[in-house]
Amino acid sequence: ETGVTQTPRHLVMGMTNKKSLKCEQHLGHNAMYWYKQSAKKPLELMFVYSLEERVENNSVPSRFSPECPNSSHLFLHLHTLQPEDSALYLCASSQEINRLGGSGNTIYFGEGSWLTVV
Amino acid sequence: AQKITQTQPGMFVQEKEAVTLDCTYDTSDPSYGLFWYKQPSSGEMIFLIYQGSYDQQNATEGRYSLNFQKARKSANLVISASQLGDSAMYFCAMRDAAGSYQLTFGKGTKLSVIP
Repeated sequence: ETGVTQTPRHLVMGMTNKKSLKCEQHLGHNAMYWYKQSAKKPLELMFVYSLEERVENNSVPSRFSPECPNSSHLFLHLHTLQPEDSALYLCASSQEINRLGGSGNTIYFGEGSWLTVV
Repeated sequence: AQKITQTQPGMFVQEKEAVTLDCTYDTSDPSYGLFWYKQPSSGEMIFLIYQGSYDQQNATEGRYSLNFQKARKSANLVISASQLGDSAMYFCAMRDAAGSYQLTFGKGTKLSVIP
């Protein structure tokens, strides 16, 4: 059982739709992340939040809009997407953002949301 | 710029045998962390093992061990006694200060365990 849960697991949306992906972490972490995984490409970091403040936005198009209402929840709002946005979107969390790792600061991922844009 | 290279797109291993998945990295930071993750076809990215650049011993977690060769900048994952459930994608990743401590992933290796 994962400490990071994502809903929905699968989403099909038209290019004119508006939908949202939801992520919740039950690990008491202060940092949350959105990653995008497309076929045959390495994982791409999209957004980073630390204590509900966005600290990084890796040149992500504005049709992706993140929201972090508290340190346990993270949303990714989607609107007017393109077919090339079809991918697996992974949410993750860690204790904090500015340390290397080890058991105290490993990044833990959710099960992902498979998005198909038609 | 940090970089992770996984040169094996796919690997096959017989059940109960050991397998090594290769990973090389590139960083100029003296302090960094290396991670391995497993991703089954369901999509979840599962943390397996961590190695810090200053760790004196190779990391081990159950059937997983990390063959860390710092001078060669390599961090290979060794899975002992392979099981059918080990069939998945495996990703090597790194965090360092130059990357703002965010994970940078390799392209992954697809492991298939043969009964």
